[in-house]
Amino acid sequence: EAAVTQSPRNKVAVTGGKVTLSCNQTNNHNNMYWYRQDTGHGLRLIHYSYGAGSTEKGDIPDGYKASRPSQENFSLILELATPSQTSVYFCASGERTANSDYTFGSGTRLLVI
Amino acid sequence: GQQVQQSPASLVLQEGENAELQCNFSTSLNSMQWFYQRPEGSLVSLFYNPSGTKQSGRLTSTTVIKERRSSLHISSSQITDSGTYLCAMELWSNYQLIWGSGTKLIIKP
Repeated sequence: EAAVTQSPRNKVAVTGGKVTLSCNQTNNHNNMYWYRQDTGHGLRLIHYSYGAGSTEKGDIPDGYKASRPSQENFSLILELATPSQTSVYFCASGERTANSDYTFGSGTRLLVI
Repeated sequence: GQQVQQSPASLVLQEGENAELQCNFSTSLNSMQWFYQRPEGSLVSLFYNPSGTKQSGRLTSTTVIKERRSSLHISSSQITDSGTYLCAMELWSNYQLIWGSGTKLIIKP
């Protein structure tokens, strides 16, 4: 079954530390996305990618980097984590089909202390 | 900038009642999408609706582009419908999704 898998599910990090969130998709979608979800804000786009080797800035990219080494994998990197980056992070894959297919991972809860 | 206003923020209903959720958007869009977020957090796509009405079981989505609104109707609500419903508009320019802040639906027995 096609899916988007995120790891880890939960992460506690210290301020100033490096955090890498991983995402793997088996949908063979070209597009992948990283969002964060905070109470009262809905989902906000951090970075996205159109395919292997490409990364694009979303609406709130500051403090985050992204890497798309292959069609299947898309990582979000926090080089110097801050408490303001405490959030739930979702990865998604998508394709511009007739029904604009989007599939989400289960989310990663990140706590930066 | 582009905005999506979703209402109500929360809704509490008795099992069997109907629910009506609304989204209003501020700019031209390619389509409106509706998602369901389970209480444990996972997201499921419900509808991709560029215009008109689409139905899936007890759920009906209606998008009226000229009036810049989209609605989600849940008939004969069930306890398992509880969760958060999110709408997102897909932009013409780059197909990115702009999200509403969600409606938290609680269905009581």
